[in-house]
Amino acid sequence: DTEVTQTPKHLVMGMTNKKSLKCEQHMGHRAMYWYKQKAKKPPELMFVYSYEKLSINESVPSRFSPECPNSSLLNLHLHALQPEDSALYLCASSHVDREGIQYFGAGTRLSVL
Amino acid sequence: ELKVEQNPLFLSMQEGKNYTIYCNYSTTSDRLYWYRQDPGKSLESLFVLLSNGAVKQEGRLMASLDTKARLSTLHITAAVHDLSATYFCAVRLRATDSWGKFQFGAGTQVVVTP
Repeated sequence: DTEVTQTPKHLVMGMTNKKSLKCEQHMGHRAMYWYKQKAKKPPELMFVYSYEKLSINESVPSRFSPECPNSSLLNLHLHALQPEDSALYLCASSHVDREGIQYFGAGTRLSVL
Repeated sequence: ELKVEQNPLFLSMQEGKNYTIYCNYSTTSDRLYWYRQDPGKSLESLFVLLSNGAVKQEGRLMASLDTKARLSTLHITAAVHDLSATYFCAVRLRATDSWGKFQFGAGTQVVVTP
C-alpha cells in the first residue's frame, strides 16, 4: 500500500472559520510533510515532521498550525485564513533517509472567501 | 539558500522526437528527485538519484545526475502523447540536524502533439 489519504478533497471556508485538513499513511514512514501549491507553480514546503516532531517550519504564518498526533496521522489546523491562502494543500510522507522518496496525497483544494 | 532552476519552463514536443529537461541546483545536495504531475492531480515519483553519475531509466524517460556540475537531466526518447504533464525536479538540502528540506524547481510543462 503506497497510499497517502487526504481529507477533505475540497474545502471552502470564510476568513473567520476554523477548519482542519487531515492526512493519513500506513507505509511506516516517519517523515510527513505539508506543501502548498498555487496554480501552475511548484509545491512550496510548509512543515516537516520527523519521528512525530516538527523539524522544519518554513516561516509559515501562525494561522496555519500543524499537528502530528502519531506516526500515521498529520493534521493542519486553519484559522483566520486570508483569500491568498487559497491553494492546493498537499501532504506527503517518506522514509527518513534511505532514498526518501515522497509519496503524495491527492491534496485538499482550499478556497478562502 | 538552496535554489533549483529548471529549463525550459515549457516544452512543446512532437511525437517521436527526443527532448531534454535540465535541472540546476545551487548548493550541495545528496538526493535529487524527478516527479510528474498531471493537470489537477497530485505528484508521482519518477526517479531518485543519489550519487554522481547515477543514471536511471523507465520506459521513454531517463534521468542522470552530475553532482560536480550540480546538474540533472531528464531525457525523453520518442515522445508520445501520454507523456504530456508537468515535470518537477526536487533537491534535498543536506543538513545534519534536520531531515526534509526539499526545494522544487519551477516545473517544465510538457505538451506532446502529433
